[in-house]
Amino acid sequence: EAEVAQSPRYKITEKSQAVAFWCDPISGHATLYWYRQILGQGPELLVQFQDESVVDDSQLPKDRFSAERLKGVDSTLKIQPAELGDSAMYLCASSSPYGTNYGYTFGSGTRLTVV
Amino acid sequence: GQSLEQPSEVTAVEGAIVQINCTYQTSGFYGLSWYQQHDGGAPTFLSYNALDGLEETGRFSSFLSRSDSYGYLLLQELQMKDSASYFCAGVSNSGYALNFGKGTSLLVTP
Repeated sequence: EAEVAQSPRYKITEKSQAVAFWCDPISGHATLYWYRQILGQGPELLVQFQDESVVDDSQLPKDRFSAERLKGVDSTLKIQPAELGDSAMYLCASSSPYGTNYGYTFGSGTRLTVV
Repeated sequence: GQSLEQPSEVTAVEGAIVQINCTYQTSGFYGLSWYQQHDGGAPTFLSYNALDGLEETGRFSSFLSRSDSYGYLLLQELQMKDSASYFCAGVSNSGYALNFGKGTSLLVTP
């Protein structure tokens, strides 16, 4: 079964440092999403891409977060500088435009701890 | 934007039936999805309702009533492995992004 690949699986960083996460969606999935999930809460959308274009980044804290999907395939999410409140699970998901059930496939996520 | 409410915790006995409710207040609501997430794992897709009524997939069923802004997930013949968090998520009619509720933690006991 096709998977969404994410790396690293875990990341510990000091506050004020830069950190980056990588995501490779399922082949052929044009839509890619980055979500942040704080422990005990539901995932919160940070940014949505359609191919290489940003569809929605209204919830992305743009003073410190950036996301890109240069060739419309894999994507990178960056935080600079990291803050203690950024500690969370960062989830990447992709979906096919051809499905009718809007089912996303999520990657295993990157667990970020800022110390 | 969308706001979805669901109970924070539910406990049920193995073999029983449990219903997890979800009410929503939305602008641009397109449909309702349900996801399961085990501790430390990724959310996995369970079901989607675009129209009013019941959708059945094995032991899981999901229901939507647009007029009541209400849906539920029904889990039958509960198994220990069903202990997990369950999220309802509204599908937006703008870009089809998912807006998740805070999740319901289901504990299945022997």
